Amino acid sequence: GENVEQHPSTLSVQEGDSAVIKCTYSDSASNYFPWYKQELGKGPQLIIDIRSNVGEKKDQRIAVTLNKTAKHFSLHITETQPEDSAVYFCAAYRGGSQGNLIFGKGTKLSVKP
Amino acid sequence: EAQVTQNPRYLITVTGKKLTVTCSQNMNHEYMSWYRQDPGLGLRQIYYSMNVEVTDKGDVPEGYKVSRKEKRNFPLILESPSPNQTSLYFCASSLTSGGSSGNTIYFGEGSWLTVV
Repeated sequence: GENVEQHPSTLSVQEGDSAVIKCTYSDSASNYFPWYKQELGKGPQLIIDIRSNVGEKKDQRIAVTLNKTAKHFSLHITETQPEDSAVYFCAAYRGGSQGNLIFGKGTKLSVKP
Repeated sequence: EAQVTQNPRYLITVTGKKLTVTCSQNMNHEYMSWYRQDPGLGLRQIYYSMNVEVTDKGDVPEGYKVSRKEKRNFPLILESPSPNQTSLYFCASSLTSGGSSGNTIYFGEGSWLTVV
């Protein structure tokens, strides 16, 4: 079945620097890859997503890239701010009758002022 | 406002005492699911429901039950809780089971459950 690996598990950056989180997936049939941000005490919220027919997608300071051949995708956050501090999850859509997401184990991002 | 509401948010219970975590969504979504979140393991799906009266096991269903008698509600039932079910639980809903930008998955705020 599908498996999603996420690295690093923790990431600390200085405010204003960039942060990159990487994920790999195993099922070549996966075609949808969302990223979620989970702030302390809250549920995960979708921040950006990408489909397998697109190589890159940007939304202001965040971007996601997808390399379908290598089966990996990455989240890029530029000009980081303290409010970017959170746990980030990547996910791959499993498809089929179960039709749900397989999540990576999460990356705790800390942005130091 | 689009919402997934879970209750209770925090609960400490004893081994073997049946409990129910309620979940309700106000978006008329067909697809609902339950996840548990544990340190180092991320989010794992417990059960899901494609529509009313249609439920199925996810990846970690042991020790849990669900029901879907109405479209908006999807309660999670622990018939005989054990300490290994101590976890943070999330209910989620989406329009359908499909994966696409138009089918955002909405999560509740989470329910912290401790079984002693």
